[in-house]
Amino acid sequence: DVKVTQSSRYLVKRTGEKVFLECVQDMDHENMFWYRQDPGLGLRLIYFSYDVKMKEKGDIPEGYSVSREKKERFSLILESASTNQTSMYLCASREAGETQYFGPGTRLLVL
Amino acid sequence: GNSVTQMEGPVTLSEEAFLTINCTYTATGYPSLFWYVQYPGEGLQLLLKATKADDKGSNKGFEATYRKETTSFHLEKGSVQVSDSAVYFCALILNTGRRALTFGSGTRLQVQP
Repeated sequence: DVKVTQSSRYLVKRTGEKVFLECVQDMDHENMFWYRQDPGLGLRLIYFSYDVKMKEKGDIPEGYSVSREKKERFSLILESASTNQTSMYLCASREAGETQYFGPGTRLLVL
Repeated sequence: GNSVTQMEGPVTLSEEAFLTINCTYTATGYPSLFWYVQYPGEGLQLLLKATKADDKGSNKGFEATYRKETTSFHLEKGSVQVSDSAVYFCALILNTGRRALTFGSGTRLQVQP
């Protein structure tokens, strides 16, 4: 079974802190994605990566950056957390086909 | 641009009732269509998919047919169970260009015993 894991299920941070969200997949997938999920808005794409050290902006990249140093790991970074970044963050990976596999999510609260 | 529109929830049904969750889309190309399901406290799981017009995706008693003429991909189930209570997301992906899923806003289904 494909497994996508995220480093934390719940996080509480203060405004201005630097926040790292880690995602690891164990199936050698080239494509990895970060979404945020908000009520009434569904999932919105923040960043994605087609390969190691490659990244592309999604629909809402402002306030975020990413890092992909190894194929299995895709990190989302909030350089200076703000309250409007309180959300559920979902990581996904995809094989050469179309099915995306999601991690369990990280619920982030920024105070 | 590309977008997916779902009916707003929550949808509340009694066990064994018939379920329909509407989904329509707009796309600049020719998309593949998906339904994902999110059970409480979990990530999203693929429920079913269809890659071309008139294809029917099916899984766990759920079905959806890719209707190009109406740009729709409605989710149906003949008899829901309490265990089907979850949030359902319709999504699309284009076969060219940026290959990332575009999601609808999600529809929460509550099934009462």
